[in-house]
Parts: sequence; structure tokens; C-alpha cells
Amino acid sequence: DVKVTQSSRYLVKRTGEKVFLECVQDMDHENMFWYRQDPGLGLRLIYFSYDVKMKEKGDIPEGYSVSREKKERFSLILESASTNQTSMYLCASSLMGGWQPQHFGDGTRLSIL
Amino acid sequence: DQQVKQNSPSLSVQEGRISILNCDYTNSMFDYFLWYKKYPAEGPTFLISISSIKDKNEDGRFTVFLNKSAKHLSLHIVPSQPGDSAVYFCAASVGGATNKLIFGTGTLLAVQP
Repeated sequence: DVKVTQSSRYLVKRTGEKVFLECVQDMDHENMFWYRQDPGLGLRLIYFSYDVKMKEKGDIPEGYSVSREKKERFSLILESASTNQTSMYLCASSLMGGWQPQHFGDGTRLSIL
Repeated sequence: DQQVKQNSPSLSVQEGRISILNCDYTNSMFDYFLWYKKYPAEGPTFLISISSIKDKNEDGRFTVFLNKSAKHLSLHIVPSQPGDSAVYFCAASVGGATNKLIFGTGTLLAVQP
């Protein structure tokens, strides 16, 4: 079974802090994704990566950056956290090519005070 | 612009009856459609998918129907069970190696015993 692990289930940070969310997958997947889930808005793609050191912006990249130094790890960075970034953050991974289902971690509930 | 829409935020069904969850899309270039199920405090899990060249795909109690002319897909669950109570997201693939998905806003299904 694919295992996608997010480092924290719950996180509380203060406005202006730099926040790191970590995600690790154990299935050698090429693609990795970061989403945020908000009520009434579904899952919105923040950034994705299709290879080490490669990244592309998703639909809502503003205020975020990412890092992928190793194939199994994909980090989401909130450069200067703001209250409107309070949300559920979900990481996913998938194989490349054709279509492949994305496999999700259990999410990080991030609160910015 | 919401390319994938789930117009029903919630649905309540009696145990043993059929659950029908609907999804509409606007982009005729989508090549795969997927359904995900999400329990509270867990990440979404892949349920079933359908290629744009097919009109039906079945897996046990779950069947997905695709009507390309109407740009509409539906997920049928028969018979519904209390354990099916969850949020269901439909998603559409834009194709290509990166497997980028566009998600709908989700429908909360409640199956009453």
C-alpha cells in the first residue's frame, strides 16, 4: 500500500511566522502535490512537482513556496503566515504517465493566530 | 471559474437504497474522471475512475456513469451502507504525465440506518 505521511496532524502558528509542512511518500512516485481544503471550496491545488527540484504552480500559489530536494519528500513553505492561510493542507503523490490515482496523506490542520 | 461542479452540498439516503452523487464539468478536454471518498480527519481515498472514451465503469457496489454530451458524471452506490457516509469528491484529469486533477467542491453523503 502507498503510504503518504504528513509530519503534523495539527499545527498552530502565529502571523508572520515562516511555516514548513513536510510530506514523505514511500512508493517512489514521481509526482507530488500540495492542496488546501476549505469548506465549500473543495480541494485546491497549491503547487505540484513532477521530479526532484522541479515544481509548477497550481491554482493558488500566492503566499506559498515548495521544495523537493529528494524524490520522496515534498515540503510546503508559508513564507510569512497569515490568518487566511488557516486551512486543512493535504499532500498527495502519484505515478507519472497516462492517468494514475493520487494517494493522499491524512492532512495537516493548520491554524494561524 | 469552477471547471468541475458538484451542485449538491449534501445528500441523505436510507440504508439499502441507492445513492446517486452528481458532478458536472465544463472542459471537454478532460480525459479521465475520478471519485474520491473522504472521512473526517483522514485524507481522500481513491474510489473509482472512468476514461472519457467509456460511458460506464463498475466496481462492486460502485458504478460511475459518464455522459459526455451533457458533460455530466454520476456515482451510484447500491446498496448504500452506513459506512459509506463521507464526503465524496469528483475530480477530472487534464491529462499528461503530471496527472494534475481538478476537484469539485464535494458532496456530504449521510446514510441513515
